[in-house]
Amino acid sequence: QVQLVESGGSVVQPGRSLTLSCAASGFTFSSNGMHWVRQAPGKGLEWVAVIWYDGSNKYYADSVKGRFTISRDNSENTLYLQMNSLRVEDTAVYYCARWGESKRLDYWGQGTLVTVSS
Amino acid sequence: DIVMTQTPLSSPVTLGQPASISCRSSQSLVHSDGNTYLSWLQQRPGQPPRLLIYKISNRFSGVPDRFSGSGAGTDFTLKISRVEPEDVGVYYCTQSTQFPWTFGQGTKVEIK
Repeated sequence: QVQLVESGGSVVQPGRSLTLSCAASGFTFSSNGMHWVRQAPGKGLEWVAVIWYDGSNKYYADSVKGRFTISRDNSENTLYLQMNSLRVEDTAVYYCARWGESKRLDYWGQGTLVTVSS
Repeated sequence: DIVMTQTPLSSPVTLGQPASISCRSSQSLVHSDGNTYLSWLQQRPGQPPRLLIYKISNRFSGVPDRFSGSGAGTDFTLKISRVEPEDVGVYYCTQSTQFPWTFGQGTKVEIK
């Protein structure tokens, strides 16, 4: 069965960097695009970034453009999110999600919490 | 960016009774390929989101048939024919027609 497991969340100070990982299993990772979606405490969902199945294309939300970098290692079945210049407003649970058929987000990980605080 | 607006934001329902959530997009969600990429997600308390419906009306694998989706263009609806206790949570509509993908604010379904 499809499984996505995020890791790397922690408490960091504003301006610092953090890298999140999402380990995928149960499907051919190199065949699917992948997304990051975040959810601030008590708030709704916000799309963050997407990477094509082969890494050839990437898109970002304006709120993270220039600070976050999405990448993947298809040999390791792992998705990454490099987050630089973190801000208090980046505090959220970060989910990775699979880009399935018909442009759907069909499987989601359990999420990893990033807290940006001094 | 396409803005997704859900109503109501809160929906107290009686067990066994129907529930309905509306979602309106700020522009048409019809893609150049002719498809409309509107999905519905369910987020139970303390859980990650779960896909219920995609392309307006297609139920995802394992989703009970009491969930149905309808609509076209800019106006969409999620219906639960008979609310069960496990349906408590927040429901989000989302569009994947164009980047950035966007979500509605969420509608909280709770039992009266």
